[in-house]
Amino acid sequence: LAKTTQPISMDSYEGQEVNITCSHNNIATNDYITWYQQFPSQGPRFIIQGYKTKVTNEVASLFIPADRKSSTLSLPRVSLSDTAVYYCLVGGSGPRNRDDKIIFGKGTRLHILP
Amino acid sequence: SQTIHQWPATLVQPVGSPLSLECTVEGTSNPNLYWYRQAAGRGLQLLFYSVGIGQISSEVPQNLSASRPQDRQFILSSKKLLLSDSGFYLCAGIGQPNQETQYFGPGTRLLVL
Repeated sequence: LAKTTQPISMDSYEGQEVNITCSHNNIATNDYITWYQQFPSQGPRFIIQGYKTKVTNEVASLFIPADRKSSTLSLPRVSLSDTAVYYCLVGGSGPRNRDDKIIFGKGTRLHILP
Repeated sequence: SQTIHQWPATLVQPVGSPLSLECTVEGTSNPNLYWYRQAAGRGLQLLFYSVGIGQISSEVPQNLSASRPQDRQFILSSKKLLLSDSGFYLCAGIGQPNQETQYFGPGTRLLVL
């Protein structure tokens, strides 16, 4: 399992773009990169997933360089409601590896200020 | 789409009492299922995962056990709760059609007194 490293916490202001970078030096060829968002007293919620280059959905963008040893979650124009913990996970493959256990790191606590 | 159900939402139990938390999955078949625990302000700790009926892998030796009696049912149990068992318990699953994304239940907040 590839280990991930993220900043413990980040602060930003409403309306700004926020970029959270995750390092995963030991990523395997078949590994995907997935980001989750968690609010207090709720389960993590899927945000975005990618394998290489750039992925964009209605919530965020995910940038993955060619070597795939890191990835950056980009949240455009954040609001107070984006205050949450963001987790980067690496693993899984297609078709699903039935022996996969999924281990979360400590995540990044993002605090949006007014 | 896949939905994970957990109950109860909140539970207060005395030390030494038994525990049974149930997780059921809708909208998929043959999922991988996971139990996590989260202490206040901390990350998620993987407790158990299961790739099929009757197949349980334990990640952390402790006071808890898990069982998977049916394809879409995952149960977390304890015979005697400890104070340290307090926390937020989350069930998650991966199944069809998106096999790369974990879906989480709403969680159960357990307080052992």
